[in-house]
Amino acid sequence: NSKVIQTPRYLVKGQGQKAKMRCIPEKGHPVVFWYQQNKNNEFKFLINFQNQEVLQQIDMTEKRFSAECPSNSPCSLEIQSSEAGDSALYLCASSPGQGNTEVFFGKGTRLTVV
Amino acid sequence: GDQVEQSPSALSLHEGTDSALRCNFTTTMRSVQWFRQNSRGSLISLFYLASGTKENGRLKSAFDSKERRYSTLHIRDAQLEDSGTYFCAAEGSNYQLIWGSGTKLIIKP
Repeated sequence: NSKVIQTPRYLVKGQGQKAKMRCIPEKGHPVVFWYQQNKNNEFKFLINFQNQEVLQQIDMTEKRFSAECPSNSPCSLEIQSSEAGDSALYLCASSPGQGNTEVFFGKGTRLTVV
Repeated sequence: GDQVEQSPSALSLHEGTDSALRCNFTTTMRSVQWFRQNSRGSLISLFYLASGTKENGRLKSAFDSKERRYSTLHIRDAQLEDSGTYFCAAEGSNYQLIWGSGTKLIIKP
């Protein structure tokens, strides 16, 4: 069973508001991923980290999201100005390394932008 | 770009029957994971395979070791608790997971 902890489970924000969610990866896992799952069950990779360093991120994340994985603190993903289209399930995952390793997911944060 | 084609998109079975899900990859993948997602959104990892087959109870999964272009998930003797949406996710060359579109499985008494 995964030990990745995501908070909050549910988040409701108005358009234009900031939306911040947190993730504590499994102990000993230096690689953290964020994925977005929309209402059509489509997954989109957002960003990944190795320790505190960003490895890869998509254009949308770079422009509209603020994400970090500080040492000794939870990782976080924050939408600077929420839009209706950001309503989705945000899934955090961690793994022991980059590549050829199992990825473990948290229970997700379901964001609703009203 | 790299894609994953998952089939079937939906499946309705009676308890006690067997089923098979399949994911085809448009290119060679490093590994594959299978998940079941419940109604609250929680993703439960079923299998991780870099090659070969794995079995866990009534579930069995295989990853084509030669071409690395497809994977299967077999469910034997389906039970009500097997209901959910199943996803395969393959690891591409850039280490990101590429997801299938999901199989919604309903088990009927």
